[in-house]
Amino acid sequence: DGGITQSPKYLFRKEGQNVTLSCEQNLNHDAMYWYRQDPGQGLRLIYYSQIVNDFQKGDIAEGYSVSREKKESFPLTVTSAQKNPTAFYLCASRREANSPLHFGNGTRLTVT
Amino acid sequence: QKEVEQNSGPLSVPEGAIASLNCTYSDRGSQSFFWYRQYSGKSPELIMSIYSNGDKEDGRFTAQLNKASQYVSLLIRDSQPSDSATYLCAVLYQAGTALIFGKGTTLSVSS
Repeated sequence: DGGITQSPKYLFRKEGQNVTLSCEQNLNHDAMYWYRQDPGQGLRLIYYSQIVNDFQKGDIAEGYSVSREKKESFPLTVTSAQKNPTAFYLCASRREANSPLHFGNGTRLTVT
Repeated sequence: QKEVEQNSGPLSVPEGAIASLNCTYSDRGSQSFFWYRQYSGKSPELIMSIYSNGDKEDGRFTAQLNKASQYVSLLIRDSQPSDSATYLCAVLYQAGTALIFGKGTTLSVSS
């Protein structure tokens, strides 16, 4: 079945460490997205990529980095520069310009 | 500033009633609108897409769009306890390439 796989489901890290969240899709979608969700909040856009080897910052890109070397993969690195990294991270993809986003199951990151 | 506004709730309705969820957006040129449902601890799942003014029905769900008033709503008929969740409104802004989400409205359906 086609879909978006995020791993791991739960991730724990110590403050000051970089951590990379995985996102893989087999939907053959060109566009991929990373959102962050905090308790009681909506989704805030971190980064997005419309084609391989190209990506753009979203509203809250500071302290994060991404790469898009393959169409299927869009990993997100949470760096030590991110002041409040503990959150629920959602990866999504979209088939074409006006179509809805399809989401992965998310990664819950806890940094202590 | 791109904004999508929703009442945070909670909105409480009895089983079998109609739940009405509302959303306003700031960019008059927006063309695509989506409603997602999110259960606690889970990722959002798409309920409805709407692109034209008027109503769009899918089972117990009806999305309503009024571009002149910059307003989109979701009606849930015959509400069930399983409908209890947070409902997120999302808007694709003109010339944008990403969806902007509201903070969501929490719906509670009591049996």
